[in-house]
Amino acid sequence: GAVVSQHPSWVICKSGTSVKIECRSLDFQATTMFWYRQFPKQSLMLMATSNEGSKATYEQGVEKDKFLINHASLTLSTLTVTSAHPEDSSFYICSAARTGGFHNEQFFGPGTRLTVL
Amino acid sequence: SQKIEQNSEALNIQEGKTATLTCNYTNYSPAYLQWYRQDPGRGPVFLLLIRENEKEKRKERLKVTFDTTLKQSLFHITASQPADSATYLCASTLAGKSTFGDGTTLTVKP
Repeated sequence: GAVVSQHPSWVICKSGTSVKIECRSLDFQATTMFWYRQFPKQSLMLMATSNEGSKATYEQGVEKDKFLINHASLTLSTLTVTSAHPEDSSFYICSAARTGGFHNEQFFGPGTRLTVL
Repeated sequence: SQKIEQNSEALNIQEGKTATLTCNYTNYSPAYLQWYRQDPGRGPVFLLLIRENEKEKRKERLKVTFDTTLKQSLFHITASQPADSATYLCASTLAGKSTFGDGTTLTVKP
């Protein structure tokens, strides 16, 4: 149990376009999901905390109008990178905290590799 | 803000030996420290969690220690195997938010 999926696993897009990444908890409900970004050989950096039915909480320095997060159900959160530019190319990873479970236990998705040309 | 330092970027050991990875935190004592394994191009996989009031935790060939005096956690893999080769991440978690270290890439040579 506790499987998190991400779609797509990789995407290549042109500069200026928008890209949507989905994060799903497959066999559990997740009130809270987290979105991270990871550059090569670097740590995971938390971008935002997504709570079902409410607005996401963004970390300092993360533009909320550029990285739109929607958590419309207990099993799905989406991250949309709007007007993507080459500097947005990165590995985006989501994690989900099980509703009613140990609140610090996060289950990570496999990640989405975004390349902006 | 909390900073997590994994002071060895890479560690190479021979199969069968014990690998020891270090994680230091700089500010407040976290409620929990977690260790993850990450393979290239994949998301992290949870391995072990140790609470602030615990000294040691074990799971099969893995052992984690937590020393609040030294502000340090050690992660041990005994009887290491080439399949243990991966990047290992340490994370400090407080109020549901995790801060990750840069990771240590372990290579176990046959």
